[in-house]
Amino acid sequence: KNQVEQSPQSLIILEGKNCTLQCNYTVSPFSNLRWYKQDTGRGPVSLTIMTFSENTKSNGRYTATLDADTKQSSLHITASQLSDSASYICVVTSSGGSYIPTFGRGTSLIVHP
Amino acid sequence: EAGVTQFPSHSVIEKGQTVTLRCDPISGHDNLYWYRRVMGKEIKFLLHFVKESKQDESGMPNNRFLAERTGGTYSTLKVQPAELEDSGVYFCASSQVLRRTEAFFGQGTRLTVV
Repeated sequence: KNQVEQSPQSLIILEGKNCTLQCNYTVSPFSNLRWYKQDTGRGPVSLTIMTFSENTKSNGRYTATLDADTKQSSLHITASQLSDSASYICVVTSSGGSYIPTFGRGTSLIVHP
Repeated sequence: EAGVTQFPSHSVIEKGQTVTLRCDPISGHDNLYWYRRVMGKEIKFLLHFVKESKQDESGMPNNRFLAERTGGTYSTLKVQPAELEDSGVYFCASSQVLRRTEAFFGQGTRLTVV
């Protein structure tokens, strides 16, 4: 069964600090892994996407890594800002069938001033 | 360019009633997806349209749910009759057919069945 597990479930940090969110998956066969940011009351917005051959991808202060061997990914946020407060969702898509994505439950990040 | 839009943003209905959710995808996007997030759980896939055809509806929970996409433009998701466990946030996403993994999400419809 395809699964995506994220940790921690929630995280509180001070503005300006760095943090790292984790994602472990069992999706197979693997097509791509995407990190989304979801603000309260909004739909998810894509931050990064990585395929099998990519092990790191950056988008501003967001850097995602992928280890396809261990089936792990991380999202590192540098110099956090108050606007980073949101839910961060890891989504892994299988290349089997019609590319149905499997979502993690997300990590709720709160950045305090 | 307009993004994916969903109507209504919130809906509160009584058990047994019917509700219809609407999704307007980004213009030119042939792929349209419906997802649902039940409180405390992860977002789950419901179904996938390519233009007006249902490509995959393996995630639809039961026959009380009916999705349509007449003409391959906007889509509707009807729940009839609604049950308490149908409460959640329903998301729609769309993507271009040649870039099917680049999906853009709407803001979601929060459905509450009381």
